[in-house]
Amino acid sequence: AQSVTQLGSHVSVSEGALVLLRCNYSSSVPPYLFWYVQYPNQGLQLLLKYTTGATLVKGINGFEAEFKKSETSFHLTKPSAHMSDAAEYFCAVKGNNDMRFGAGTRLTVKP
Amino acid sequence: EPEVTQTPSHQVTQMGQEVILRCVPISNHLYFYWYRQILGQKVEFLVSFYNNEISEKSEIFDDQFSVERPDGSNFTLKIRSTKLEDSAMYFCASSVLPSGGGLLNTGELFFGEGSRLTVL
Repeated sequence: AQSVTQLGSHVSVSEGALVLLRCNYSSSVPPYLFWYVQYPNQGLQLLLKYTTGATLVKGINGFEAEFKKSETSFHLTKPSAHMSDAAEYFCAVKGNNDMRFGAGTRLTVKP
Repeated sequence: EPEVTQTPSHQVTQMGQEVILRCVPISNHLYFYWYRQILGQKVEFLVSFYNNEISEKSEIFDDQFSVERPDGSNFTLKIRSTKLEDSAMYFCASSVLPSGGGLLNTGELFFGEGSRLTVL
């Protein structure tokens, strides 16, 4: 069965600093991987996804993630954090009939 | 842009009462899901639904839960006798297909804004 593990339940960065949110996956088949963002009191919004092809995928709001099969990782990065990036971020892997989420990482951005 | 809509946005109910949460998936989608997020915790899979039957369900989805697609547009989650621990945000989602389906199917789930259930 597919699963993801997010390392770090809470990440705090200064505005303008690099954002790195870690996600490792487990899958018996080539995975489809996703990052979703949840702003306070809102639903889940897709940031980016990896299916096949280029291993570096770019998403909305300047975020990108790199699929590394050798490391079973799909870490999310953004070169320069903005205050508006403060939210909960969920890594997810697509299974046969559903999507499985990680525990989430809360990103705090300090001025 | 098409979107998944959920009603109500917030429902408060007494323990033991029945609750129905409603969802209108994106019109050309064929697979439907319910997820739950207890406050401050992870998003948990409840159930997936395809072709008018449950495809997969988690251990959370016990006999007090049921899902239905009563007409061509709505997809409902019923909680028969609510418990305090059912208090959570419930998300509906839909997708074109769950897996396979060729290059067009990337498996992305589209989520609604959620229905917050508070059980007192």
